[in-house]
Amino acid sequence: SQQGEEDPQALSIQEGENATMNCSYKTSINNLQWYRQNSGRGLVHLILIRSNEREKHSGRLRVTLDTSKKSSSLLITASRAADTASYFCALLYGGSQGNLIFGKGTKLSVKP
Amino acid sequence: DGGITQSPKYLFRKEGQNVTLSCEQNLNHDAMYWYRQDPGQGLRLIYYSQIVNDFQKGDIAEGYSVSREKKESFPLTVTSAQKNPTAFYLCASARVLGQGLSGYTFGSGTRLTVV
Repeated sequence: SQQGEEDPQALSIQEGENATMNCSYKTSINNLQWYRQNSGRGLVHLILIRSNEREKHSGRLRVTLDTSKKSSSLLITASRAADTASYFCALLYGGSQGNLIFGKGTKLSVKP
Repeated sequence: DGGITQSPKYLFRKEGQNVTLSCEQNLNHDAMYWYRQDPGQGLRLIYYSQIVNDFQKGDIAEGYSVSREKKESFPLTVTSAQKNPTAFYLCASARVLGQGLSGYTFGSGTRLTVV
């Protein structure tokens, strides 16, 4: 399968702690994207990182990409109860015909 | 406000019945997608379209059909040939850029249940 694999599958932390989710993949990519999904809702695009970029920030979110290890991480700092959601990485690579390939997600629970 | 609208939010289908899920976007995006989401399985691509009057099968197209007569609209029909249609269906759109696509914009989903 060419989809990314998120790790861990589930993560439970206290409010104020940092949350780190990882995504590993097997083929060379054009870009990698992270999405959030609240229960029963559509996905929301968080960050896109290109293959020639190593790190990107957006507010409390920090994404890193290590193409040599074929892995990416999403860090949410100072987490809030409202961050409770599933987080998906999605890959765009040359053989995907311009389509994103989504992983199965990490379910994050932030306890107040 | 620009966005992507899916309707209905909930849909019930009887055995042997065809149903159509609506997806409309006013973002002027070229590409549109349909995904199916089952618990614990992430998103699986059903059909996609990158230009009007053209669409391609995704990984799980059997039992589904689509049309793309207008840039704004990409309806999905779940036919009676789809034996296990109960799932959460998500529509998305994206802008075609020089080096690929923009991030996807998703609708809020349609939950389909067979009764």
